Amino acid sequence: DAGVIQSPRHEVTEMGQEVTLRCKPISGHDYLFWYRQTMMRGLELLIYFNNNVPIDDSGMPEDRFSAKMPNASFSTLKIQPSEPRDSAVYFCASSLGVLVDEQFFGPGTRLTVL
Amino acid sequence: GQQVMQIPQYQHVQEGEDFTTYCNSSTTLSNIQWYKQRPGGHPVFLIQLVKSGEVKKQKRLTFQFGEAKKNSSLHITATQTTDVGTYFCAGLGNFNKFYFGSGTKLNVKP
Repeated sequence: DAGVIQSPRHEVTEMGQEVTLRCKPISGHDYLFWYRQTMMRGLELLIYFNNNVPIDDSGMPEDRFSAKMPNASFSTLKIQPSEPRDSAVYFCASSLGVLVDEQFFGPGTRLTVL
Repeated sequence: GQQVMQIPQYQHVQEGEDFTTYCNSSTTLSNIQWYKQRPGGHPVFLIQLVKSGEVKKQKRLTFQFGEAKKNSSLHITATQTTDVGTYFCAGLGNFNKFYFGSGTKLNVKP
């Protein structure tokens, strides 16, 4: 398996623009997680899905952020409109389960909002 | 709300010295996972502890889960430069909430 795939790897955009980050989890994994990492705030869990259903979205910063998982092999994290403070590395991770299984992280998307 | 804090935030050691990072939760966790993130990389799973008081070893690394399942530690014996990175604990708390700790950044001087 290729592991968790994220695209794009780097994104540079201007304030106010819409940004869409994409993630393909490992096949067969039932859980998908979105994280944001910055120097100031460290690694933050934004949202996680179980079988395509959002379980906990309490980490989503505000209404400008939305995440979807239309099927078991694809998820998106959208920021609209983007702001400079959204600049961060966004990681997607997947796992077989939450209690007993490790999370496999993707390489991340480095987002820069000018 | 529930939080998972790690101390210290940073640790600088000389190669060969020992290193310990502590993970503390405000409430009981169902499990503890430990991850390592190398500079510029992504977190990579190291180990999971589930039982109260559990101790596991991986070569020079020793992991413990507290009796009350609210704290954990990672101890590295005789650090090497390859140990450089940020170490995170993580765990499942109440109401299906999954928490990542604040991380401890380890620097090892050769």
